[in-house]
Amino acid sequence: AQSVTQLDSHVSVSEGTPVLLRCNYSSSYSPSLFWYVQHPNKGLQLLLKYTSAATLVKGINGFEAEFKKSETSFHLTKPSAHMSDAAEYFCVVSDRKYGGSQGNLIFGKGTKLSVKP
Amino acid sequence: GAGVSQTPSNKVTEKGKYVELRCDPISGHTALYWYRQSLGQGPEFLIYFQGTGAADDSGLPNDRFFAVRPEGSVSTLKIQRTERGDSAVYLCASSPVPKLHVSEQFFGPGTRLTVL
Repeated sequence: AQSVTQLDSHVSVSEGTPVLLRCNYSSSYSPSLFWYVQHPNKGLQLLLKYTSAATLVKGINGFEAEFKKSETSFHLTKPSAHMSDAAEYFCVVSDRKYGGSQGNLIFGKGTKLSVKP
Repeated sequence: GAGVSQTPSNKVTEKGKYVELRCDPISGHTALYWYRQSLGQGPEFLIYFQGTGAADDSGLPNDRFFAVRPEGSVSTLKIQRTERGDSAVYLCASSPVPKLHVSEQFFGPGTRLTVL
């Protein structure tokens, strides 16, 4: 069965410093992995996705994530935090149990990112 | 273009009542998903439609929950005999038919259901 574990429920950084949000996954298949962001009172937005192409994935707003199969990790990083990055971030794996390329998403519990001025 | 829309944005009901939550997916998206997000948790899968049929309803918690998508577009999630534990944000997502890899799911803003 697929699952994701987000190692930190809350991360606090200062504006202009690097961001690291950690995620480990468990998957029976070659996984498709995503990071979604949820700002208060707004819908979930896709930041980036990994689908077995390049292991370093670049997303929107300067975020990127690296797929490391040996460590079963998919950590999200950003070189310099901005105040507008404050939000809840979800690491997600696609459950490809249908055998094809479509599947429902399995979410981690989320990491709340706070950015201090 | 228009994104996924959900109505109502908020719904307050009393224990034991029946509620319907509506989702309008992005035009042309054949896949539609319902998720439930409880406070402090990530969204949890409820049901997946491919076209008009429910391809996977394994996430529905019990038989009080039911969803339909009669014309392959709009979907309605129906909850009978609501319980306080049903209080959550109900999210709808849609995605196009993927060409190669798993396609992105586009989420609506959700319906916040409160059962008193």
